[in-house]
Amino acid sequence: GENVEQHPSTLSVQEGDSAVIKCTYSDSASNYFPWYKQELGKGPQLIIDIRSNVGEKKDQRIAVTLNKTAKHFSLHITETQPEDSAVYFCAANTNAGKSTFGDGTTLTVKP
Amino acid sequence: DGGITQSPKYLFRKEGQNVTLSCEQNLNHDAMYWYRQDPGQGLRLIYYSQIVNDFQKGDIAEGYSVSREKKESFPLTVTSAQKNPTAFYLCASSKQATNQPQHFGDGTRLSIL
Repeated sequence: GENVEQHPSTLSVQEGDSAVIKCTYSDSASNYFPWYKQELGKGPQLIIDIRSNVGEKKDQRIAVTLNKTAKHFSLHITETQPEDSAVYFCAANTNAGKSTFGDGTTLTVKP
Repeated sequence: DGGITQSPKYLFRKEGQNVTLSCEQNLNHDAMYWYRQDPGQGLRLIYYSQIVNDFQKGDIAEGYSVSREKKESFPLTVTSAQKNPTAFYLCASSKQATNQPQHFGDGTRLSIL
């Protein structure tokens, strides 16, 4: 089955700096890669996603890049703000319909 | 507002008891999912359903059971066979089972008395 590894497990940055979270996946059939943000006591919420026919996608301060050959994808957050502090999860989906999640990255943005 | 609702938010179970966690969605989504989240870990899939009256085991189905009698509802029963049930349980739904984002509820935290 699919295996998703996510790094780092914790990340601390100064407000205004950039943050990068990386994920690798094992199943070359995976073709959809969402990123979720989870705040304390809440369920995860989708923040951005990318499909395998695209190499990069951007939405304001958030961007995701995908390298299918190397089987890795990354989340980039620029100009970080304290409200960006949360746990971020990557996931990989195949056409079988199941999502496999990484173990999460706890991002802390220091004011 | 459309969304996915889990209840209760907190649940306590005595040893040997079965408990049922509720999950309801009004998003008209076909697929629904149950995940378990332990501290510092990712989401592990318990069961999922792509259509009414059909469901499949996920990676950690032992000690759990589900039903999907209505499109809107996907309750999860944690049975007494689940020896370590203390966790945060998340329900999600999506338009289709493939290549669509999942919408999550705010979870139920289950604890053993």
